Amino acid sequence: AQKVTQAQTEISVVEKEDVTLDCVYETRDTTYYLFWYKQPPSGELVFLIRRNSFDEQNEISGRYSWNFQKSTSSFNFTITASQVVDSAVYFCALSEGAAGNKLTFGGGTRVLVKP
Amino acid sequence: EAGVVQSPRYKIIEKKQPVAFWCNPISGHNTLYWYLQNLGQGPELLIRYENEEAVDDSQLPKDRFSAERLKGVDSTLKIQPAELGDSAVYLCASSLGPAESNYEQYFGPGTRLTVT
Repeated sequence: AQKVTQAQTEISVVEKEDVTLDCVYETRDTTYYLFWYKQPPSGELVFLIRRNSFDEQNEISGRYSWNFQKSTSSFNFTITASQVVDSAVYFCALSEGAAGNKLTFGGGTRVLVKP
Repeated sequence: EAGVVQSPRYKIIEKKQPVAFWCNPISGHNTLYWYLQNLGQGPELLIRYENEEAVDDSQLPKDRFSAERLKGVDSTLKIQPAELGDSAVYLCASSLGPAESNYEQYFGPGTRLTVT
């Protein structure tokens, strides 16, 4: 069965500090997709990025970067130079077989960025 | 382009009462999902539709929950009768194509249900 674990429940940083969110996943499928979603206080889940199991290339997009390592089943997410608007709950998610199959979410990590 | 629309945003009912939630997906999105999010947890899938067909409803508690998507566009999720443990946020999501087309899922703002 698929499982996603986000060990950090809450992270508090001061503005402009970097913050890294950990995500560890379990799956028996060889084809799977990993996602990060942001949930601000308004409640709407905002899609940030996805990676498939065949693409281990890490990526930087603006202040966001991702580190996907199949060897350790990890898909970590870093916000560089954090801003107050980054305060939200961040969810890591996994789908097996196809990106449109059901998403299995981790428990989320609450990020609080203080001015 | 408008996102996924859900209504109502908030609902308070007494236990044993029925309740219904409505979702209108992003225009052109054929796949629609209903997720349940308990406080402090990640969402869990209840049901997935491809057009008007429910293709994954294995986690929908069918004794009290039902859903429909009659014309393959908007959808309604119903609970009858509601129990205290149903208090949660009900999220609707949609994606452009079927699951194997590998499009992302886009979520609506959710309906927060409180059962008293």
